[in-house]
Amino acid sequence: NAGVTQTPKFQVLKTGQSMTLQCAQDMNHEYMSWYRQDPGMGLRLIHYSVGAGITDQGEVPNGYNVSRSTTEDFPLRLLSAAPSQTSVYFCASSSPQGRTEAFFGQGTRLTVV
Amino acid sequence: AQSVTQPDIHITVSEGASLELRCNYSYGATPYLFWYVQSPGQGLQLLLKYFSGDTLVQGIKGFEAEFKRSQSSFNLRKPSVHWSDAAEYFCAVGSSNTDKLIFGTGTRLQVFP
Repeated sequence: NAGVTQTPKFQVLKTGQSMTLQCAQDMNHEYMSWYRQDPGMGLRLIHYSVGAGITDQGEVPNGYNVSRSTTEDFPLRLLSAAPSQTSVYFCASSSPQGRTEAFFGQGTRLTVV
Repeated sequence: AQSVTQPDIHITVSEGASLELRCNYSYGATPYLFWYVQSPGQGLQLLLKYFSGDTLVQGIKGFEAEFKRSQSSFNLRKPSVHWSDAAEYFCAVGSSNTDKLIFGTGTRLQVFP
């Protein structure tokens, strides 16, 4: 009964490094999203996907890439990390998004130095 | 565009006191409204949701919320707060014709014994 699984839980990057945050769900949900959480700003939508092969931008997409090759996985890529990307990242899934409960992963705390 | 406003950044109450957390939304179509709770270091958990019908909805942990279309509000209430309710609370809005779930900035609840 895993739900939404995010890896890693913690990560420290140097400015300019790249990395991929992993997100997997086992509920066969069509919709998956990535949010970042910053103090005083709540959760802001980075990218989302309405199904395999379909992605779209959210409120704060710059500096991030996503792809959705399978229903289960929705990785978030940072191509060249910047200190402004220091945040806690949450992946969520639902079916369908915006209309039913979203299930969240436990988050990835990313620090860019 | 969808937006959610939570005017109270931080609220402090005594254990046993009543609680009301405010949420105002902006959206042209019929909104789907949610309240989520986040305990420290954890992901988000759904407290309750409103899609249609009775404007007073009951959720988990003794919480309820009332949808008031005329005021564009969806305030969260609890008659008697417990120390374990200390957490951050997020209001969110979606709809039937969007794939996005947009969150407010959150209200941090502190409970004193």
